Amino acid sequence: AQKVTQAQTEISVVEKEDVTLDCVYETRDTTYYLFWYKQPPSGELVFLIRRNSFDEQNEISGRYSWNFQKSTSSFNFTITASQVVDSAVYFCALSEAERQGAQKLVFGQGTRLTINP
Amino acid sequence: DGGITQSPKYLFRKEGQNVTLSCEQNLNHDAMYWYRQDPGQGLRLIYYSQIVNDFQKGDIAEGYSVSREKKESFPLTVTSAQKNPTAFYLCASSMTYRYYSNQPQHFGDGTRLSIL
Repeated sequence: AQKVTQAQTEISVVEKEDVTLDCVYETRDTTYYLFWYKQPPSGELVFLIRRNSFDEQNEISGRYSWNFQKSTSSFNFTITASQVVDSAVYFCALSEAERQGAQKLVFGQGTRLTINP
Repeated sequence: DGGITQSPKYLFRKEGQNVTLSCEQNLNHDAMYWYRQDPGQGLRLIYYSQIVNDFQKGDIAEGYSVSREKKESFPLTVTSAQKNPTAFYLCASSMTYRYYSNQPQHFGDGTRLSIL
């Protein structure tokens, strides 16, 4: 069975600090996809990144970066120079590769990130 | 603007009552999904649909029903059989391609359901 664990329930930092959100996953599949979503107070989930299991390159997008390590089954998310607008709940999710059709996402419990001014 | 519209934003259910949550998308996506989110927890899949007139149970389908008569619409009914319906419900949609592409899901703003 697939499983995603986000061990950090809540994180609180002061603005401009760097912060890393951990994500550890379990799957028996050799081909799978990992995702990060942001859930601001308004409620909708905003897609941040998708990574397939064959692509272990780290990715940077502005102040956001992602570190994917298959050896430790981790897909961690770092925010550099955090800002108050980064305050949200962040979810890591996993899906097996689908040949066609819909995908079933397995979500972690989420990490509530609070950035204090 | 393309997107997913969920209504209503807040919904109250009386004991023994069925209620229906609306989800409409204009993204031309084939696949649609319903998730339930409880406080401090991740999202759990209730039902999903890959194409019109077809849908599949997710991990927690008991007490819920869906229909998919149009590509744009995927309403969720919370029946009286669902004994603990209080939660935040999110609808999502995604494109479907033939070969292992796992396109990201796009989400609506959610409906918060409470028991009176």
